[in-house]
Amino acid sequence: AQSVSQHNHHVILSEAASLELGCNYSYGGTVNLFWYVQYPGQHLQLLLKYFSGDPLVKGIKGFEAEFIKSKFSFNLRKPSVQWSDTAEYFCASLTGGGNKLTFGTGTQLKVEL
Amino acid sequence: DTAVSQTPKYLVTQMGNDKSIKCEQNLGHDTMYWYKQDSKKFLKIMFSYNNKELIINETVPNRFSPKSPDKAHLNLHINSLELGDSAVYFCASSQYGDYEQYFGPGTRLTVT
Repeated sequence: AQSVSQHNHHVILSEAASLELGCNYSYGGTVNLFWYVQYPGQHLQLLLKYFSGDPLVKGIKGFEAEFIKSKFSFNLRKPSVQWSDTAEYFCASLTGGGNKLTFGTGTQLKVEL
Repeated sequence: DTAVSQTPKYLVTQMGNDKSIKCEQNLGHDTMYWYKQDSKKFLKIMFSYNNKELIINETVPNRFSPKSPDKAHLNLHINSLELGDSAVYFCASSQYGDYEQYFGPGTRLTVT
């Protein structure tokens, strides 16, 4: 069964610091990858997605992620975080042909002023 | 315009009771899902319906029964509630084959 690992469970950064959140997936075949964000008390929103093509994916709010097939990774990055980026971030994968999202355990990001 | 809506937003009930959570989407999608988010924020799929047919049924106690009266609605009925059922339940929808899922605001269920 496929799995998704997020190694950073809690991250605390100061405003303007750079962010990188790790995500590794286990499936070796065709895989679609996502990053979702959950702001406090709110529902999940899609930040970005990778299906194929350019491995560097740009999403909303200045986020980007890089798909590295050889490392089974899809790390999320942002060059300069803001206080409003405080949220829970989830990496997820979807195997080809299916609709079943498998989520990582999430990373809680706190951005301090 | 709410794309995926759930009712109620909060639900507090006692052990042994039966309760339902409702979900509606106005995106014209043909596939809907229920996810459970536990106290550690871990999200796991429970069920998925495509055009009113069950297509994903994870290892979930049979006290949980989803019902899809039409492709815009997916309800979740839970019998004999237990303390461990306390969680946030998220509904989501997508167009089958489109992969991007849209989530509702969640229903926080507390069983006392």
